[in-house]
Amino acid sequence: NAGVTQTPKFQVLKTGQSMTLQCAQDMNHEYMSWYRQDPGMGLRLIHYSVGAGITDQGEVPNGYNVSRSTTEDFPLRLLSAAPSQTSVYFCASSSGTGPLYFGPGTRLTVL
Amino acid sequence: EDKVVQSPLSLVVHEGDTVTLNCSYEVTNFRSLLWYKQEKKAPTFLFMLTSSGIEKKSGRLSSILDKKELFSILNITATQTGDSAIYLCAVGNMNYGGSQGNLIFGKGTKLSVKP
Repeated sequence: NAGVTQTPKFQVLKTGQSMTLQCAQDMNHEYMSWYRQDPGMGLRLIHYSVGAGITDQGEVPNGYNVSRSTTEDFPLRLLSAAPSQTSVYFCASSSGTGPLYFGPGTRLTVL
Repeated sequence: EDKVVQSPLSLVVHEGDTVTLNCSYEVTNFRSLLWYKQEKKAPTFLFMLTSSGIEKKSGRLSSILDKKELFSILNITATQTGDSAIYLCAVGNMNYGGSQGNLIFGKGTKLSVKP
C-alpha cells in the first residue's frame, strides 16, 4: 500500500493564481482531511470529509475549496492564492475509529 | 474553545536520559488522545489512548492518559539521537459528526537529544 500520497511536493505561486493540491489514499478510509502547518501555530484543520460526497469546514477554511467525488481522492483547491496561504499542507485519512495517517506534505510558497 | 497545551515547548537532553512530555486538554465530547512524532516530514503515529489509566507501550516509549485530570504524558527512556523530533499531542472530539479523525493539535514539544 502506498498509504496517503500528495502531489506536488513543492509549489510556488504568484498572488492571485489558483491551483489544486492532490491527495489520494489506498486504504479505503472513509475519513479524509486537510491540515496546514505554520511555525508557532501547529496543525490546523482546513476541511474534512467523512465519505464520498460529504465535506465540511474545519478551523481555517477561508480561501480553500474541497470536493470528494470518490473514496480515494480529496483535492484541495486554492481559489486565489494569497501570501498568507504560504504553508505546509498535509492531507490525512483514517478509518474513523483508528488514528489519522498523514501524507508527505506539500510545501507551498505564495509570492 | 477546545484547546490542547503541550509542555515544555522545547527540551534538550543527553543520550541516555529519560524525558517526560506533557499534554493537557480542554475538549468537549472527548473521544481520544493521540501522540505523533514529527521529524522533517509528516507526523507519524505513536499512540492512541481512549481509556484512563491504561499505559500504552512501544519499546522505549510509553504513554498514559488521565481523563479525570485531562492530561497525558509521553515518556521516553534511554533517549537516543534518533529520538530528536517534534512530538505532537492531538485530541479527537465527537463534535464533527463523530469522526475520530478531526483532531485538535497542540503546538508540539521539540526534543533535541545530544550525543
